Amino acid sequence: GQSLEQPSEVTAVEGAIVQINCTYQTSGFYGLSWYQQHDGGAPTFLSYNALDGLEETGRFSSFLSRSDSYGYLLLQELQMKDSASYFCAVRRDDKIIFGKGTRLHILP
Amino acid sequence: DARVTQTPRHKVTEMGQEVTMRCQPILGHNTVFWYRQTMMQGLELLAYFRNRAPLDDSGMPKDRFSAEMPDATLATLKIQPSEPRDSAVYFCASGPTRETQYFGPGTRLLVL
Repeated sequence: GQSLEQPSEVTAVEGAIVQINCTYQTSGFYGLSWYQQHDGGAPTFLSYNALDGLEETGRFSSFLSRSDSYGYLLLQELQMKDSASYFCAVRRDDKIIFGKGTRLHILP
Repeated sequence: DARVTQTPRHKVTEMGQEVTMRCQPILGHNTVFWYRQTMMQGLELLAYFRNRAPLDDSGMPKDRFSAEMPDATLATLKIQPSEPRDSAVYFCASGPTRETQYFGPGTRLLVL
């Protein structure tokens, strides 16, 4: 079955806040990472959560709840340059598995 | 500003030809990954090295693909013979850990 679930698309307004969710299967889970990828570019590492709670890096925050097998990426004060695809990735045992990505559309 | 470099950036070849892609990981990173990205399949892990030793290549078609790290500054991915279905963007990534990966710019491969 699907190891990671994240929405395929999300739309938000410039200046607003958006949350991108990611749910995962728990067996062998170690931690959750987030990557950003602009069209035609390479994925860029954003954050990694191994423990429950919120990690903040500037306008971006990432949250993990191991008991709920759930995490999210929170983007605040959205800017047009944040239009991109966002991937969650899990380390499960010795493997790294990426989700299919969430395409974030930002409206002016 | 240390970066992962990949060559070539673009490659167009004919079916049956050998393709070699090269990657220079960031100095000091002991994990190196090869990924393939397509619209249909997304980002797929092909191979993973730690301290130059291959730890996982279960995602790689063994009959035609091979990955090596002849030294700490070079990782290679070869396809022989190439097929049209191999057309994709191939990314190399390195990191101090598996969870923190820094991607190269990718090689865009088109097999005709």
